[in-house]
Amino acid sequence: QSVLTQPPSVSEAPRQRVTISCSGGSSNIGNHAVNWYQQLPGKAPKVLIYYDDLLPSGVSDRFSGSKSGTSASLAISGLQSEDEADYYCAAWDASLNGYVFGTGTKVTVL
Amino acid sequence: QVQLVQSGAEVKKPGASVKVSCKASRYTFTSYSMHWVRQAPGQGLEWMGIINPNGGSTTYAQKLQGRVTMTRDTSTSTVYMELSSLRSEDTAVYYCARDGAGAKGWYFDYWGQGTLVTVSS
Repeated sequence: QSVLTQPPSVSEAPRQRVTISCSGGSSNIGNHAVNWYQQLPGKAPKVLIYYDDLLPSGVSDRFSGSKSGTSASLAISGLQSEDEADYYCAAWDASLNGYVFGTGTKVTVL
Repeated sequence: QVQLVQSGAEVKKPGASVKVSCKASRYTFTSYSMHWVRQAPGQGLEWMGIINPNGGSTTYAQKLQGRVTMTRDTSTSTVYMELSSLRSEDTAVYYCARDGAGAKGWYFDYWGQGTLVTVSS
């Protein structure tokens, strides 16, 4: 059971916007940077957002990250079929003294 | 482009050990730490530990302490992850992932293709 909680699934129509939440606590999100990873079916994960809201080179600016207190969010605008994937938040957890991933969210494009 | 190429799939019996390799190329091997992450079938991601190729220091997830060992060979730019006393719950895809080496903590900027380890009698 992860200490970072995400909704199991979200779905939306093409070209719409979805937001994925990641809820944690003071030992992780509240005091440490949040990263987001996208995992396409059958593929290795890929970093989508790092340090709360930074976009790696080559990642579409349709993806954006934010953080407030002990929660973080990933937004995907202009949803496309290629965005169908599992998304994971992640952060350092000082209580566990380890890096933790969120429970994961499956995004479906209707 | 950075490349991380992992060894092939393994099938092991309960109680045995497995050693997975991850060969890095197209960057300075000793300048970036390497993590290992695993994913059981249909499950989420689990961080296993990190090794600093420059010196070989390691940090392991508490859950795996005593069973996991990460090593490196700087002459071949390869890191290894060995897991002992295997049980069925260790069946998973194992990934190596390079640390981004940023100033605000860990994140994984490049990933290997994954290695499926199956533990079955």
